[in-house]
Amino acid sequence: GQNIDQPTEMTATEGAIVQINCTYQTSGFNGLFWYQQHAGEAPTFLSYNVLDGLEEKGRFSSFLSRSKGYSYLLLKELQMKDSASYLCAVNTNAGKSTFGDGTTLTVKP
Amino acid sequence: DVKVTQSSRYLVKRTGEKVFLECVQDMDHENMFWYRQDPGLGLRLIYFSYDVKMKEKGDIPEGYSVSREKKERFSLILESASTNQTSMYLCASTKGGQGDNEQFFGPGTRLTVL
Repeated sequence: GQNIDQPTEMTATEGAIVQINCTYQTSGFNGLFWYQQHAGEAPTFLSYNVLDGLEEKGRFSSFLSRSKGYSYLLLKELQMKDSASYLCAVNTNAGKSTFGDGTTLTVKP
Repeated sequence: DVKVTQSSRYLVKRTGEKVFLECVQDMDHENMFWYRQDPGLGLRLIYFSYDVKMKEKGDIPEGYSVSREKKERFSLILESASTNQTSMYLCASTKGGQGDNEQFFGPGTRLTVL
């Protein structure tokens, strides 16, 4: 079966750095995605990792270790608008993804 | 600007009614998906389609059916709505093939079954 684990909730302070972890056990691996979802809105794409290592995109970075079944999303210089749910998703077949339950991040002033 | 649209943002139906949720994408994507999202349960895949007239069951297909008569349109059907189908329904599409297949989501339909 498919299993994706990420923390349910996290809290951080504006301007700080936060790391959201994701571990996965899936039958097949074709890449790992991170999505951001604000309350009442649809998820939007943040990052994609298919090879081991770090991908950096502005204030957001995502890391992948395939041998450990582990990824993290790093958010720097946190802003209030970063308060959202962050979804880890593993692409097990071309185009089909299995999602974690999401991590709700609250950024406090 | 790429877009996935859903027919309704909010919908209220009665138990036993037949419900149609429509999704349209304008990106010529091969793959389309229907999810439901419930607090504490995350996104769960109901059905997906890799091509016109093709459909595959996801993780929770019971009580649902789908139709894909045209490439851009993917419909979710609740044959006889029940209260436990009250949920947020999200449609998504991906271009298909290998590589970065990010999902593009529609705005969601919040369905309430009374």
